Amino acid sequence: EAGVTQFPSHSVIEKGQTVTLRCDPISGHDNLYWYRRVMGKEIKFLLHFVKESKQDESGMPNNRFLAERTGGTYSTLKVQPAELEDSGVYFCASSHLTGRTEAFFGQGTRLTVV
Amino acid sequence: AQSVSQHNHHVILSEAASLELGCNYSYGGTVNLFWYVQYPGQHLQLLLKYFSGDPLVKGIKGFEAEFIKSKFSFNLRKPSVQWSDTAEYFCAVIVSGSARQLTFGSGTQLTVLP
Repeated sequence: EAGVTQFPSHSVIEKGQTVTLRCDPISGHDNLYWYRRVMGKEIKFLLHFVKESKQDESGMPNNRFLAERTGGTYSTLKVQPAELEDSGVYFCASSHLTGRTEAFFGQGTRLTVV
Repeated sequence: AQSVSQHNHHVILSEAASLELGCNYSYGGTVNLFWYVQYPGQHLQLLLKYFSGDPLVKGIKGFEAEFIKSKFSFNLRKPSVQWSDTAEYFCAVIVSGSARQLTFGSGTQLTVLP
């Protein structure tokens, strides 16, 4: 079974540019989560999809961040325009909708805004 | 809002030493508890989880954790660490009945000296 895949693994962009991160969840997982870890701090929740619907985006920092999940499959997280404080590691996780299952994580995308 | 505290930022041990990493959470209701580990260059993976039942939970690679409800704690233990246990360890909580997003502690970097 393929795991959660994130692309790219690293991205270095200049302040003001746009970056799009992609997450491919495990097939059949309806729950999809985005998290972020800013250097030295804890991993923080950004938002949650159930299939294609946003269930909770209370963790999104501001309106420069836009997440989508087309057709309930892969998800993208776009940052536009990027600011220095957006640097960090962005994790995606997926899980089954029901049952006592844990979330499976991707390797993360390390975003550096210079 | 719930929070998770990991008291040790960085722990250094020699091989064969015993390990205990502290984790406390602040939420008075029913919680699900997790320990995740991130080995260098790899994705976050689940070590063990607690949903209900026996408060002593056994996970992979010889790790175990004990849920003590009265202390709001879920400490991770291993009787004898190995060099390959060098990694960052994260305690996390899901509030029962929520959208099931994880609230993480700040992580503990474990370095095991050969």
